[in-house]
Amino acid sequence: DAGVTQSPTHLIKTRGQQVTLRCSPKSGHDTVSWYQQALGQGPQFIFQYYEEEERQRGNFPDRFSGHQFPNYSSELNVNALLLGDSALYLCASSLGSLGSPLHFGNGTRLTVT
Amino acid sequence: AQKVTQAQTEISVVEKEDVTLDCVYETRDTTYYLFWYKQPPSGELVFLIRRNSFDEQNEISGRYSWNFQKSTSSFNFTITASQVVDSAVYFCALSETDKLIFGTGTRLQVFP
Repeated sequence: DAGVTQSPTHLIKTRGQQVTLRCSPKSGHDTVSWYQQALGQGPQFIFQYYEEEERQRGNFPDRFSGHQFPNYSSELNVNALLLGDSALYLCASSLGSLGSPLHFGNGTRLTVT
Repeated sequence: AQKVTQAQTEISVVEKEDVTLDCVYETRDTTYYLFWYKQPPSGELVFLIRRNSFDEQNEISGRYSWNFQKSTSSFNFTITASQVVDSAVYFCALSETDKLIFGTGTRLQVFP
C-alpha cells in the first residue's frame, strides 16, 4: 500500500520564477493538505483540498495556489518566487474527518536563488 | 489563538536513558486533538499518536508513553530506554479544525 508520494524531491529555482509541486495521496484518502517547513521550524499550514475545492487556507499570499484532481492527487503552485519561499514543502493526506491523522510524504526541498 | 509550545529545542542523551519531551498548548475550544509526529533526517513526518480532548487516559506503546493533562494544558511524551534510532526531531501538534498547528519541535540526539 503506497503512502503519500511527492515529486520532485529537490528543486532549484530563481527569484521571480514559478514552480509546481505534485502529490499523490495515500490510497483511500480523499483530502490533501500542504505545509511549508522552513529550516529549524515546525510545518506551517498552507491550504487543504477536498472534493477538488480549497476547504481551508492558512496565512499565505495568493502567490500560493493549488489544485486537486478527480483522482485526489494535488498540485501546489507558487508564482513570483521569493528567496523566503525556500523551504521543505510537505504534502499530507487524510480521510478528512476532524481529528483524522495526517499521513505525510517525504517532501519537496525547494531552493530559491 | 491556538498555539503549541515545545520549550526544549534540543536534548542529548546516552542510549538506554529515559527522556521526556514537553508540549504545552493553548486553545479556547473544548473539542480538539493533539498529536505527536517524528521527523527523521529523511524529512517525512511519521505519525505517532493522537489524543482527543475528552480522553485524558495516558497511553503506552512499547517504549513510548504519553501523559495528557488538561489541567496544565500539557501533552508530554516519554521514551523509555532510548535507542540511537530514536534520534529525530519530534513535533507536537494541535488540531481544532482540519489543520494542524505545530510546535517548533525538539531535536533528540541519542548517543551510543
